[in-house]
Amino acid sequence: KNEVEQSPQNLTAQEGEFITINCSYSVGISALHWLQQHPGGGIVSLFMLSSGKKKHGRLIATINIQEKHSSLHITASHPRDSAVYICAVGSARQLTFGSGTQLTVLP
Amino acid sequence: DAGVIQSPRHEVTEMGQEVTLRCKPISGHNSLFWYRQTMMRGLELLIYFNNNVPIDDSGMPEDRFSAKMPNASFSTLKIQPSEPRDSAVYFCASTPGRNTEAFFGQGTRLTVV
Repeated sequence: KNEVEQSPQNLTAQEGEFITINCSYSVGISALHWLQQHPGGGIVSLFMLSSGKKKHGRLIATINIQEKHSSLHITASHPRDSAVYICAVGSARQLTFGSGTQLTVLP
Repeated sequence: DAGVIQSPRHEVTEMGQEVTLRCKPISGHNSLFWYRQTMMRGLELLIYFNNNVPIDDSGMPEDRFSAKMPNASFSTLKIQPSEPRDSAVYFCASTPGRNTEAFFGQGTRLTVV
């Protein structure tokens, strides 16, 4: 069993839809990261959180430490949100990565 | 700051050749990481430096791989000799401290033929 499980693996949505990507982990963590990887390949760190909730623009990330679960929400999705979203847990020294969720937002 | 800068962006080389990947972390960041991304295994940590000192290289796959950080503003990842199974995207990332957000470079796509 993978230590970090993401769901769904692939997600297609219409522009404007509310999107949720889930991440469950089985290891103890100091922090959880959400990363975005665009088709060009570059990786951008979206959030790092260890408790509660963070919001940045249309993106919201939540984490439940007791349940070992995090969600990434995108409100009013847009085609430019199309990317792979990767959940990673642990410190940067020992990040364990999920396999990613491929999101496609159609106009 | 221009962010983490990696070079080259793309590298195609023949099996057996030496390959050197370069990374310039964000100024002031004291931790630097090299990751490898493949379709089969996803993202994997290769090596981690703190204050220019290698702390954990347990992810380095073989002796053919070596990494150095001669100063706070430069690191290299070398593969010698390269093999086709080394083909992957190699990312460098830096952070300002422990348990802080990681800033990734654009990656180097390596193809070994």
